[in-house]
Formats: sequence, structure tokens, C-alpha cells
Amino acid sequence: AQKVTQAQTEISVVEKEDVTLDCVYETRDTTYYLFWYKQPPSGELVFLIRRNSFDEQNEISGRYSWNFQKSTSSFNFTITASQVVDSAVYFCALSHRFHSGGSNYKLTFGKGTLLTVNP
Amino acid sequence: GAGVSQTPSNKVTEKGKYVELRCDPISGHTALYWYRQSLGQGPEFLIYFQGTGAADDSGLPNDRFFAVRPEGSVSTLKIQRTERGDSAVYLCASSLTVGEQFFGPGTRLTVL
Repeated sequence: AQKVTQAQTEISVVEKEDVTLDCVYETRDTTYYLFWYKQPPSGELVFLIRRNSFDEQNEISGRYSWNFQKSTSSFNFTITASQVVDSAVYFCALSHRFHSGGSNYKLTFGKGTLLTVNP
Repeated sequence: GAGVSQTPSNKVTEKGKYVELRCDPISGHTALYWYRQSLGQGPEFLIYFQGTGAADDSGLPNDRFFAVRPEGSVSTLKIQRTERGDSAVYLCASSLTVGEQFFGPGTRLTVL
């Protein structure tokens, strides 16, 4: 069984603060993918990043960075110098290949973390 | 290019009625997924199509739910004898195999 835990239900910060969103996952698969999605108030899920289980390099994209640690089954997301536009619900998700064949990468999502960035 | 579109954006129905929710994926995407998102929760997988066939329907909650994708493009999620517990946002996503899934704006279903 797969499981994604986002322990932080809500986080509130003041603009320009750094904030880290935690994600812990469980899987028995050796090959899997980890994702972060952003869901702004408009409701549409926006893809942020995909990580392959074989690639533990941290990644930085502008103000966003991701720390993947296989030893602790964590895939944390940091926003540096947060802005009001970063306010959204952020979801961590896990996918694996469906072993019965095909290319099924169905996602298992965490419950999300509501980030509020105040001016 | 156009993203994933879903219609209607909102659907209000009465308990016991039948509803159809439509998803138009990104052109050329062979994989199509349906998810359901309840208030305050993450999306939950319902069904996966590869081409025209439903390769994995393990997430459908019961036999009142059914989905089709007859020509390998547009998909329709069908719910019979709706119940109040079916109220949620139904999300559709499409992808090219292992690529990221692109989500539509969702259909908000309210069962009175």
C-alpha cells in the first residue's frame, strides 16, 4: 500500500519569510515517482516537480527547492522569500507503475498543506 | 495549446438522479485519469484509461460509478442513483505515460 503524509495542515507566514512544507511517503516499490502540485484558490492543480526514486539530487527552481531523502522517505519543499501569490494548497503525491502492465502512474496524494502568505 | 477541459464546471442534482461528467484531454495524451476530491482532502484516484480501455478501475467506490472513453480521447464519468456522499469535485487528468499529469479545472458536483 502507498501512503503520503503531509503533517502540516496549515501554515501561515509573513511575506519574504522562508517556509518548508513536509512530505513523508510509504511505498514498497523500488521504482516510484514523487510530485508536488499547487492548488490555488481557483482550484486547478498545477504541476511543480516530478522526482524519480533513483535521483536523490536536490533541485532548485527559482525560489522553489526540493529536498529528497530516500533514507527518511521524505520529499520536502521549500519556498524562499515567500510572496502573497504563493498562497495555495500544496499537495505531495506518489506514483508507481501498476504491475499488471501498461503505464499506469496513478497518483496517491497527501491531504495537502494550506499555505497562507500574509503581506 | 488547449489544456484539459471539463464540463460542466458545476452540477447540482437531486438524490437518486443520474449524472454525466465530461473530460476532454490534451490532444495526443493517451493516458487519462479520473480523481475525486472531497472538501479538505487530496484527490483520490478513481479510474485510469490507456487509450480506449479502462486499465484500472480499482478506485471506483461502487457499481453506481462507470466511465467510458470510446474513441480514446473524450471520457465521460457516469454516476447512477446519486447520493449526497457523491458530492465532491471530480478531476480529470491526462498525460503522456510517465510525464506529469495535467489536470483539468474539475466539475463540482452537489447532490441535494
